[in-house]
Amino acid sequence: GIQVEQSPPDLILQEGANSTLRCNFSDSVNNLQWFHQNPWGQLINLFYIPSGTKQNGRLSATTVATERYSLLYISSSQTTDSGVYFCADSGGSNYKLTFGKGTLLTVNP
Amino acid sequence: ETGVTQTPRHLVMGMTNKKSLKCEQHLGHNAMYWYKQSAKKPLELMFVYSLEERVENNSVPSRFSPECPNSSHLFLHLHTLQPEDSALYLCASSRDPQGGRKFFGPGTRLTVL
Repeated sequence: GIQVEQSPPDLILQEGANSTLRCNFSDSVNNLQWFHQNPWGQLINLFYIPSGTKQNGRLSATTVATERYSLLYISSSQTTDSGVYFCADSGGSNYKLTFGKGTLLTVNP
Repeated sequence: ETGVTQTPRHLVMGMTNKKSLKCEQHLGHNAMYWYKQSAKKPLELMFVYSLEERVENNSVPSRFSPECPNSSHLFLHLHTLQPEDSALYLCASSRDPQGGRKFFGPGTRLTVL
């Protein structure tokens, strides 16, 4: 199956800072999604982005499918942005969305 | 609010107990999923249902038994679990089982004593 590598594994920011998270994939991407998991375990789907660029408020994502990577940009970070960010894709699988190990983001006030 | 609800949110059970986890989606989706999230491990897909039919069983032990009575409801029946089964169990749904955006419930945090 597809391998998903996320970087960095941990990130600590001061409130107001910007950051970039990255995902690399071992296979062609066709179902790429970014999620945020809050400290209580709730996973929120941030973007469905198999290609191109999307923006949602202070968050934006870009996927370069030909080079098998995706970037998540967080601007003017807030303490509520803290949590774990996951990317996932199914590769050639019919059903299985494979997740990376996540980036643990801590935003300090 | 993601449109996917799960109950209970927390569950403590002994190894000889039988319990069930419930998931309901209010999104009109056709596919539902069970995932397991253990500490320090990536999310693991357990089961996939498409239009109430199980289409994937990802080598899950038989002590976990899923049930999908209709396209809006999904259950996970638990029986004779082991302490290593303690984890966060997440339900998800999507419009199409073969792709598209997945929406997750808040999870059930299970502790097996």
